[in-house]
Amino acid sequence: EKVMTQSPATLSVSPGERASLSCRASQSVSSHLAWYQQKPGQAPRLLIYGASTRATGIPARFSGSGSGTEFTLTISSLQSEDFAVYYCQQYNIWPYTFGQGTNLEIK
Amino acid sequence: QVQLQQWGAGLLRPSETLSLTCAVYGGSFSGHYWSWVRQPPGKGLEWIGEISHSGTTNYNPSLKTRVTISVDTSKNQFSLRLSSVTAADTAVYFCARHGGSDYFQHWGQGTLVTVSS
Repeated sequence: EKVMTQSPATLSVSPGERASLSCRASQSVSSHLAWYQQKPGQAPRLLIYGASTRATGIPARFSGSGSGTEFTLTISSLQSEDFAVYYCQQYNIWPYTFGQGTNLEIK
Repeated sequence: QVQLQQWGAGLLRPSETLSLTCAVYGGSFSGHYWSWVRQPPGKGLEWIGEISHSGTTNYNPSLKTRVTISVDTSKNQFSLRLSSVTAADTAVYFCARHGGSDYFQHWGQGTLVTVSS
């Protein structure tokens, strides 16, 4: 099983600032990496797939980068609605696995 | 516009079988894979398993001995059964549709299943 590790567990950022979230895979997942946003009481929402492709309707302030074992989700200028928990997921091989999440909170 | 609507029993006793169904509205049912994902309260996401429209399944090895995912293409529905549940199976269960690859593009609203004696 490929273990996905996200850091930091909690990130405190002020609105308007930039946030960078990290995801590391225990073995290469190529570019088979997705990012999700989850707000309390809601289902996850797909943000990024293929490590860097924004899903339909996702604002341009969200960007993904990386390949192999190191990935980053960047939010260029945080809006109030961006404060949530973010998960990465590898779909390179079964079982698909998720990181433990990064809680992005208002500073 | 793709919508997934799920339902099933929310309270189970230990050793019972969890049963959930997910109905798909809009979009194409065939040509996609369909998954179940769960999330224990306050914790992260765990993939349970997937099924194709033709019935091909793949399961998480951690749950494989207890999980069955089935599909009813006549109703555009797929279902999850998890046997011999314990308190550790208490979670919100989500159904999801895969995108062009094996990421989860569309999600159901989630169903909280509590296992308690």
